[in-house]
Amino acid sequence: AQSVAQPEDQVNVAEGNPLTVKCTYSVSGNPYLFWYVQYPNRGLQFLLKYITGDNLVKGSYGFEAEFNKSQTSFHLKKPSALVSDSALYFCAVRANAGNNRKLIWGLGTSLAVNP
Amino acid sequence: GAVVSQHPSRVICKSGTSVKIECRSLDFQATTMFWYRQFPKQSLMLMATSNEGSKATYEQGVEKDKFLINHASLTLSTLTVTSAHPEDSSFYICSARGWTSGINEQFFGPGTRLTVL
Repeated sequence: AQSVAQPEDQVNVAEGNPLTVKCTYSVSGNPYLFWYVQYPNRGLQFLLKYITGDNLVKGSYGFEAEFNKSQTSFHLKKPSALVSDSALYFCAVRANAGNNRKLIWGLGTSLAVNP
Repeated sequence: GAVVSQHPSRVICKSGTSVKIECRSLDFQATTMFWYRQFPKQSLMLMATSNEGSKATYEQGVEKDKFLINHASLTLSTLTVTSAHPEDSSFYICSARGWTSGINEQFFGPGTRLTVL
């Protein structure tokens, strides 16, 4: 069965420090991987995605993520966190073949960046 | 980038009334639209998937007679919560998938906060 795990409910980091939000997945075949951010009472905003090619993907607002096939991970990173990065982050995966091509969502990780 | 709008952004209604939420793809044709429900501090729960001109496919446990979905055109889908009750209060998010700039991708609306009194 396809699944996404975000092992941390909450991540706290000081402003200016690097941040990592973890995501691991389980899917048949090669995955499409996504990160979205949600600010309070707002819809989801697309950050970045991995489809194929370079394992390091750069996205919006200075975020990047590295696809690691052997560890089935797609951790979200940013070299220097901002207070405005505080939000809820969702990892999602979709199989790139087969009949079931729905997005499978992680439970989300709340990121708090402290001034 | 592609934009998906939802209307209204917030609605408060009395128990027993019906509420309609609109979802529009503004600059691309959405061959598939998705409706999600999100409880506070939880992940998105897919309610149903609809393709233009055909009946929606509901996820297990979602009542199709309570959550009516219409996808009448390639740019508009509606979700009607019929005979709403307080337990239907939630954040509803629509998503549209279609071809834009040569890529088939899924975009999300800003969400609708439904409060049933």
